[in-house]
Amino acid sequence: DIQMTQSPSSLSASVGDRVTITCRASQNIRSYLNWYQQKSGKAPKLLIYVASSLQSGVPSRFSGSGSGTDFTLTISSLQPEDFATYYCQQSYSTPRTFGRGTKLEIK
Amino acid sequence: QVTLRESGPALVKPTQTLTLTCTFSGFSLSTSGMCVSWIRQPPGKALEWLARIDWDDDKYYSTSLETRLTISKDTSKNQVVLTVTNMDPADTATYYCAREFAGLTAFDIWGQGTMVTVSS
Repeated sequence: DIQMTQSPSSLSASVGDRVTITCRASQNIRSYLNWYQQKSGKAPKLLIYVASSLQSGVPSRFSGSGSGTDFTLTISSLQPEDFATYYCQQSYSTPRTFGRGTKLEIK
Repeated sequence: QVTLRESGPALVKPTQTLTLTCTFSGFSLSTSGMCVSWIRQPPGKALEWLARIDWDDDKYYSTSLETRLTISKDTSKNQVVLTVTNMDPADTATYYCAREFAGLTAFDIWGQGTMVTVSS
């Protein structure tokens, strides 16, 4: 199975900050990397697919980059509604695997 | 509008078999490239992918759980069913179903989830 390692596991930031979350795959997954946002008590929401494509309806302050084994999710200017947990997930092969999540908290 | 909804028991006893149903609308699982996966999340923990069934009836399972999982579909009813045998308290989680299709290779639409507690 492909292991997905996210860092940091938690992050404190302020409204307006630029934030970057990283995800590393245990092997080359080309660009088959997706990012999700999950708020407490809710289902995850797709933000970015195939590493850098913005899902319809997702604000442009979210962006993704990377290929191979190293990927990043960037939020250019944090908004109050962005405080949530973020997960990466590889879709290069089955079984599908997720990172352990990054909890983004208000400083 | 694409929607998915999970249903099943909220409480099961250890060693019992759990049967969950995902009822969906707005797409057909007979369309080439369409897939439905089950994903779970124990309280306070990360997401864990469990199983997937494809439009052509191909099936894929979590390596660690494959001996306990069975996924099936009823295309005429727009349903996907997951069974998990020999339930344990460690299987307590919210269980989600989600759509994936070849054009996106991501889980673009999720159900609201159903919480299952394993306790005697």
